[in-house]
Amino acid sequence: SYELTQPLSVSVALGQTAKITCGENIIGTKNVHWYQHKPGQAPVLVMYRNSNRPSGIPERFSGSNSGNTATLTIDRAQAGDEADYYCQVWDTNVVFGGGTRLTVL
Amino acid sequence: EVQLLESGGGLVQPGGSLRLSCAASGFTFTKNAMSWVRQAPGKGLEWVSIISGRGGSTSSADSVKGRFTISRDNSKNTLYLQMDSLRVEDTAVYYCARIDQSTSDNFDYWGQGTRVTVSS
Repeated sequence: SYELTQPLSVSVALGQTAKITCGENIIGTKNVHWYQHKPGQAPVLVMYRNSNRPSGIPERFSGSNSGNTATLTIDRAQAGDEADYYCQVWDTNVVFGGGTRLTVL
Repeated sequence: EVQLLESGGGLVQPGGSLRLSCAASGFTFTKNAMSWVRQAPGKGLEWVSIISGRGGSTSSADSVKGRFTISRDNSKNTLYLQMDSLRVEDTAVYYCARIDQSTSDNFDYWGQGTRVTVSS
């Protein structure tokens, strides 16, 4: 079965750039989507089909996908970006990565 | 404005049943496939089940296959999840989520979730 590997946690200094990775063999051939999930709230789509931002998502968020790794990049990280981030693909069914806790220091 | 409002969660004993509902508004319900996703305490998101816009096609994760049934009533703009033979490991917050009509492979809107606790 398809499994997506994410780091458990990523820390970033306020105002710096955070990169959250999502790995699996030939993930570059798939469409990868990213969700932001804050405690007690509904998850929010922040990137779809690798590098497309939904309306309302700041331009600070960008995405890429190539080879065996997809990456969500958050420029000029803010305190409000602290959350769990999940990547997701569609294999035979829906597959989520294990999630990455982003901490803004 | 798209809104998804889950209900029906609660405390149930192992082996028991529960039916979750998700009331949808703000969009043409039949145009979107819908799904249930759950998050167990301290764990990540886990996809549970999906149903096509008209309800003719469904699929479920192996962990719930044969125990959970997804359905929808398009006349009521409501999605359901019938959960039978519940296990302690089914304890989670259950979210309903809309499949993006333009891409068909991601979720563009989510509800706030309803909590299910399976315990004796």
